[in-house]
Amino acid sequence: NAGVTQTPKFRVLKTGQSMTLLCAQDMNHEYMYWYRQDPGMGLRLIHYSVGEGTTAKGEVPDGYNVSRLKKQNFLLGLESAAPSQTSVYFCASSYISGSLDEQYFGPGTRLTVT
Amino acid sequence: TQLLEQSPQFLSIQEGENLTVYCNSSSVFSSLQWYRQEPGEGPVLLVTVVTGGEVKKLKRLTFQFGDARKDSSLHITAAQPGDTGLYLCAPHGSSNTGKLIFGQGTTLQVKP
Repeated sequence: NAGVTQTPKFRVLKTGQSMTLLCAQDMNHEYMYWYRQDPGMGLRLIHYSVGEGTTAKGEVPDGYNVSRLKKQNFLLGLESAAPSQTSVYFCASSYISGSLDEQYFGPGTRLTVT
Repeated sequence: TQLLEQSPQFLSIQEGENLTVYCNSSSVFSSLQWYRQEPGEGPVLLVTVVTGGEVKKLKRLTFQFGDARKDSSLHITAAQPGDTGLYLCAPHGSSNTGKLIFGQGTTLQVKP
């Protein structure tokens, strides 16, 4: 099993450009999450999904959109990138079994917006 | 908004030393997880604690959940260079969405 994979690993965008980050998991997990990680701020939840076809906002959703058309994939889109979106983005997935569930993380995507 | 604080933010020690990392909040949590993140990788779960006062051991790592379920600590005995990384606490609230709140983390460097 590959677990959770993310593409691309690195990307440089200019302000105003758009892009989509792809997350895929092969563990048949119901729940998927997108986080951003900035120095000194831990991981902050952007959007999450509790199942195919459903999405919800997290802590810092502004400037991002997501889609979960297939259970195994969770896409994160930036319509008009801004320098404030320079960050490392992590995708995670979990089965969900009450509060004891483990989140499995991908290796991250490092995004720089100039 | 739940306030979550980890301390210290940075810790640099010599191999063989002991250390404790703290995770504190003003809110009560149903459970709490600790993750470790190595450079260039995503976080990996170390442990989940559920019961107030619970203590769990993972080799040289000892995790404790506070009696009131508002805080937790991670103690490492005889640290080794392989323990180097970012340690994140992630309490879980009462909802069933699986959403975690991550602390800002403690960066640990263990020098040989």
